[in-house]
Amino acid sequence: AQTVTQSQPEMSVQEAETVTLSCTYDTSESDYYLFWYKQPPSRQMILVIRQEAYKQQNATENRFSVNFQKAAKSFSLKISDSQLGDAAMYFCAYRPLNNRKLIWGLGTSLAVNP
Amino acid sequence: GAVVSQHPSRVICKSGTSVKIECRSLDFQATTMFWYRQFPKQSLMLMATSNEGSKATYEQGVEKDKFLINHASLTLSTLTVTSAHPEDSSFYICSARGRGDPYNSPLHFGNGTRLTVT
Repeated sequence: AQTVTQSQPEMSVQEAETVTLSCTYDTSESDYYLFWYKQPPSRQMILVIRQEAYKQQNATENRFSVNFQKAAKSFSLKISDSQLGDAAMYFCAYRPLNNRKLIWGLGTSLAVNP
Repeated sequence: GAVVSQHPSRVICKSGTSVKIECRSLDFQATTMFWYRQFPKQSLMLMATSNEGSKATYEQGVEKDKFLINHASLTLSTLTVTSAHPEDSSFYICSARGRGDPYNSPLHFGNGTRLTVT
């Protein structure tokens, strides 16, 4: 069965610093998609970044970047120059190529300290 | 961008009554709708998947007679919690996939509904 593990229930970072959230997954598939979603206190789910497994290049979206290690089945999220507005729950999600269901990790609660 | 409007955002109901939650896709056709339940500080739990015009597919352990899902049109899906009890109190979120969306495209989420059963 496919699973997603986020081993850090809570993390904190100082404003303007960098933080990395970890995510590992288990699958026997070779092609799939990976996502990081952010859920702020408003509870709105917001896509942060996505990665196609067939792409070796790590995805980047402004201050957010991933370290995708396919062999290790690792998909960590790096947030640079952390801002107060980055405080939220962050969920890692996996999606098989031919299935539209997302498999979610349990989330990491990120606090940003001023 | 694609918008999913979910209503109500908050609802309080008495035990034994039914509550309907609506999710509307405002500027796209939602061919697939996913309904999630989320407990405080926990992850999203998929309850069911519905395709327009078809019966919903429920995840294991989810009572289909208690959580009625209707997806009769490409712009509206509803979740009805029947005979609600306090243990049904939770945060419910819908997310949609649009017609023609590539497989790598993200889901479009509603803002969620906070249900409190007294």
